[in-house]
Amino acid sequence: NAGVTQTPKFRVLKTGQSMTLLCAQDMNHEYMYWYRQDPGMGLRLIHYSVGEGTTAKGEVPDGYNVSRLKKQNFLLGLESAAPSQTSVYFCASSRTSGTGELFFGEGSRLTVL
Amino acid sequence: AQSVTQPDIHITVSEGASLELRCNYSYGATPYLFWYVQSPGQGLQLLLKYFSGDTLVQGIKGFEAEFKRSQSSFNLRKPSVHWSDAAEYFCAVKYANFGNEKLTFGTGTRLTIIP
Repeated sequence: NAGVTQTPKFRVLKTGQSMTLLCAQDMNHEYMYWYRQDPGMGLRLIHYSVGEGTTAKGEVPDGYNVSRLKKQNFLLGLESAAPSQTSVYFCASSRTSGTGELFFGEGSRLTVL
Repeated sequence: AQSVTQPDIHITVSEGASLELRCNYSYGATPYLFWYVQSPGQGLQLLLKYFSGDTLVQGIKGFEAEFKRSQSSFNLRKPSVHWSDAAEYFCAVKYANFGNEKLTFGTGTRLTIIP
């Protein structure tokens, strides 16, 4: 069972470069989320989507863009990477909001030099 | 804004001893409360959740948590820890408000198990 799959798992960028993280889920979930995890700060929500074609800002959206063109995919883009974006990024999905359990991918470690 | 506090950054427990991890949430009506566990290099896995009803909830891996509205707390417990319980534990809260789709996490508690 694949669940939530993130690619790539590791990436090193130079300041100013761009990249896209791909999240794919095979559970037919409506809701998808991108979080970043930094030491001592827990997980912070970057952007989320409540369905195909929709996106919304989370707690820390600056410097990131997202797209949800297909229900099963949620892309996170960095147009001009900065060292402050060095982090571990987690994608998650849930069937519903409210009581819906989040299922997480294994994370993507991004280093910006 | 909704928030979650986990006051203990790091806890060390002997194998076989009991465990309690603390979690306090900001006041709000009808909180949905969760505990997640993260093993090194892995994503987060749901341990248990509370929505309503019995305030003592049972989860996977022998964990339980008790919701205490008067204390705004949702502490995680296990009567006897195993070496495989070493991980980072996150408490999270969501409120049952229409349009509030966001799960807010605490900063985590890292659990170390010693023989």
